[in-house]
Amino acid sequence: RKEVEQDPGPFNVPEGATVAFNCTYSNSASQSFFWYRQDCRKEPKLLMSVYSSGNEDGRFTAQLNRASQYISLLIRDSKLSDSATYLCVVNRGSYIPTFGRGTSLIVHP
Amino acid sequence: NAGVTQTPKFRILKIGQSMTLQCTQDMNHNYMYWYRQDPGMGLKLIYYSVGAGITDKGEVPNGYNVSRSTTEDFPLRLELAAPSQTSVYFCASNPGQGVSPLHFGNGTRLTVT
Repeated sequence: RKEVEQDPGPFNVPEGATVAFNCTYSNSASQSFFWYRQDCRKEPKLLMSVYSSGNEDGRFTAQLNRASQYISLLIRDSKLSDSATYLCVVNRGSYIPTFGRGTSLIVHP
Repeated sequence: NAGVTQTPKFRILKIGQSMTLQCTQDMNHNYMYWYRQDPGMGLKLIYYSVGAGITDKGEVPNGYNVSRSTTEDFPLRLELAAPSQTSVYFCASNPGQGVSPLHFGNGTRLTVT
């Protein structure tokens, strides 16, 4: 089993839709979790950290389920500009971030 | 504040040539990383460093070498370039404390032909 797994998609949704991605991780000792956004041929950029209690930033909500070892990202009211690849990142205790292969989101008019 | 700076942005190498990808950061971060990303794939860790003078292998170190003589610089050396090393290379840094995300450079697109 890969250390961090994501459904590669693509998720193809209309503008205004709500879409959710999951990411599973295999190492129960993982300590910190992030969602990054990556536009085509660009560097990944931090979208949001994921906290144990869940957290929200505008239209984006991230949640962590330690018992089932997954994190999720919910995007409400999708915009065309949300089209990108969303990378799940999991840190083991020694600050070695491990990336999922990413989930592709395409928002169409 | 420049953050993480990578050079060059693009490079074409012939098989067997060597080159150094430069990475420097001005945030006084202890941790630095080199990742490669192949088309349609996630980032794979090549090497990382937890401070000046300390480096360690990641998931895919073969064909690469690194050094960390200063906190700021973390160059990646390719010896005897092979087509399998055609990829996009990202350097990143992290203060290595608490819940801290990665700061990325803009990437180097390398083609080996």
